[in-house]
Amino acid sequence: GENVEQHPSTLSVQEGDSAVIKCTYSDSASNYFPWYKQELGKRPQLIIDIRSNVGEKKDQRIAVTLNKTAKHFSLHITETQPEDSAVYFCAASNPGNTGFQKLVFGTGTRLLVSP
Amino acid sequence: KAGVTQTPRYLIKTRGQQVTLSCSPISGHRSVSWYQQTPGQGLQFLFEYFSETQRNKGNFPGRFSGRQFSNSRSEMNVSTLELGDSALYLCASSSQTGIIGYEQYFGPGTRLTVT
Repeated sequence: GENVEQHPSTLSVQEGDSAVIKCTYSDSASNYFPWYKQELGKRPQLIIDIRSNVGEKKDQRIAVTLNKTAKHFSLHITETQPEDSAVYFCAASNPGNTGFQKLVFGTGTRLLVSP
Repeated sequence: KAGVTQTPRYLIKTRGQQVTLSCSPISGHRSVSWYQQTPGQGLQFLFEYFSETQRNKGNFPGRFSGRQFSNSRSEMNVSTLELGDSALYLCASSSQTGIIGYEQYFGPGTRLTVT
């Protein structure tokens, strides 16, 4: 089955710096890659996603890149702010044996942005 | 639209008991997925329901079961609770209609503590 690895597990940056979180996946059939942000005590919130027919997607300060050949994708946050502090999860989705999508999550990255 | 709701938000149960958790998806969404979130294992997929049918299942024992009703509301049941079942149980709803990856929106979760 699909396996998603996420690095780093923790990331500390100064306000205004950029942050990059990287994920690799194992199943080349995966075709959808969302990123979720989870603040302490809250639900995971979808912040950006990318499909396998696209190499890059950007939404204001957040961007995601996908390299299908290498089977890795990354989240880039520019001009970080203290409110970006949270745990970020990547995920990969593929049809598997059933033909229906299921999400496999990475283990999460705790991002701390210091003022 | 109202978001995904889950009840109850908190539960304390004793080993050996059983528990039922409820999830109401976003109006119009027919797919409901369930996840277990623990500090050590991250977000683990339990199962997914679409139009009252279980379409996908994760690697959990048979003590974990679920169902979906005609109004798309879903329940999950855990029988013979074990200490290791203590976790945050999240459901996510989606408007998935095809085999391509789809956006999932999470509920606030039910925090289950087994003593």
